[in-house]
Amino acid sequence: GENVEQHPSTLSVQEGDSAVIKCTYSDSASNYFPWYKQELGKGPQLIIDIRSNVGEKKDQRIAVTLNKTAKHFSLHITETQPEDSAVYFCAASKVRGNAGGTSYGKLTFGQGTILTVHP
Amino acid sequence: DAGVTQSPTHLIKTRGQHVTLRCSPISGHKSVSWYQQVLGQGPQFIFQYYEKEERGRGNFPDRFSARQFPNYSSELNVNALLLGDSALYLCASSPTSGGVAKNIQYFGAGTRLSVL
Repeated sequence: GENVEQHPSTLSVQEGDSAVIKCTYSDSASNYFPWYKQELGKGPQLIIDIRSNVGEKKDQRIAVTLNKTAKHFSLHITETQPEDSAVYFCAASKVRGNAGGTSYGKLTFGQGTILTVHP
Repeated sequence: DAGVTQSPTHLIKTRGQHVTLRCSPISGHKSVSWYQQVLGQGPQFIFQYYEKEERGRGNFPDRFSARQFPNYSSELNVNALLLGDSALYLCASSPTSGGVAKNIQYFGAGTRLSVL
């Protein structure tokens, strides 16, 4: 089955600096890669996602890049703020269809990165 | 609009007991997935349901079961609880488009289960 490795496990930056979190996946058939932010006592919140037909996607201060050949994808956060402090998870999914036309896919998550942004 | 809602928020059980966790998906979402998140780790897939049918099952023992109701809400049941079942149980729902479940998943806040 799919295996997702995430690095680093902890990341500490100064406010205004950039933060980069990297993930690798094992199943070349995976084609959907979301990133989630989880704050203490809350469920994971989707912050950005990318599909395998796209190499890069941006949303304000957040960007994700995907290298299908190397099977890795990265989250980039620019101009970090203290409220960006949280645990970040990458995930991979393999969407498939069946005769009924339904597509679905379980998410395989990385181990998480604890990001701390110091004021 | 309300997001994914889960109940209860916290639960304490003893070994050998049974537990039922409940999930209401985002209005209009027909697909529900369950995940187990042990402290310090990423969520692990347990089940996925779409249109009341099981569509996927993770590597969990038969003590874990689930079902989806006609209103698309779902229950996760765990029998013969073990200490190792202590975790945050997350429910996620997915929208559909043209009768097809999309793979984007939105999570609830979870149910924190403690087994003593």
